[in-house]
Amino acid sequence: DAGVTQSPTHLIKTRGQQVTLRCSPKSGHDTVSWYQQALGQGPQFIFQYYEEEERQRGNFPDRFSGHQFPNYSSELNVNALLLGDSALYLCASSTTGYGANVLTFGAGSRLTVL
Amino acid sequence: QQQVKQSPQSLIVQKGGIPIINCAYENTAFDYFPWYQQFPGKGPALLIAIRPDVSEKKEGRFTISFNKSAKQFSLHIMDSQPGDSATYFCAAKGDVSGNYGGSQGNLIFGKGTKLSVKP
Repeated sequence: DAGVTQSPTHLIKTRGQQVTLRCSPKSGHDTVSWYQQALGQGPQFIFQYYEEEERQRGNFPDRFSGHQFPNYSSELNVNALLLGDSALYLCASSTTGYGANVLTFGAGSRLTVL
Repeated sequence: QQQVKQSPQSLIVQKGGIPIINCAYENTAFDYFPWYQQFPGKGPALLIAIRPDVSEKKEGRFTISFNKSAKQFSLHIMDSQPGDSATYFCAAKGDVSGNYGGSQGNLIFGKGTKLSVKP
C-alpha cells in the first residue's frame, strides 16, 4: 500500500520564478495538508484541502496557493520565489472522522531558491 | 509566536539509556499531543500521541507523560538503541469547531530534538 508520494524530490529555482509541487495522498485518505520545514526547524502549516477546497490556512502569504483534484491529489504553487522559500515542503494526508488526527507525511520536496 | 516550545535541541545518550525530551505549550485549547520521529531524507512519522485527559501513555519503549496543569508533556524512550537516532518533534493540535470535514485543526510543531544514541 503506497503511502504519501510527492514529486519532485528535489528542485532548484531562482528568485522570482514559480514552482509547483505535487502530492498523492495515502490510499483511503481524502484530506491533504501542506507544511514547510526550514532547515533545523519543525514543520509549519501552510494550508489544508478537503473536498477540493482550502479549509484552513496558516500564516503564509498569498504567493502560496494550492489545489486539490477530484482524486484527492494536491498541488502546492509558490509564485515570485524568495530566497527564504528554500525549505522541505511536506505533504500530509489524513481521513475525516475517526483517525482524522493521524497525519501521514510524505518524504517531501526539497526546494532550493538561488 | 511559538506556541510549542521543545527542549533540548540535541541529546546524546548511550545505548540503553533513557532520553527525555520535553515540550511546553501555551494554548489551553490544544487537545491532542503527538510525537513524530523523522529520519534524514524522510518525512515525519507518528510515534505516539496523547490527549489531556490521560497523564501517561505507553507504546512499546516509548512513553508520553502529560501534566495538564503545567501545560507540559514529555517523551521518554526506554532502553534506547542506535536505531532510535533521529529527530523528534512534539506537536499540538486544537479542537477547531466547524461543520466541515477534514482534519479539524492543524498541527503546531516544536523545533525538534536531534537524538543520537551511541552504541
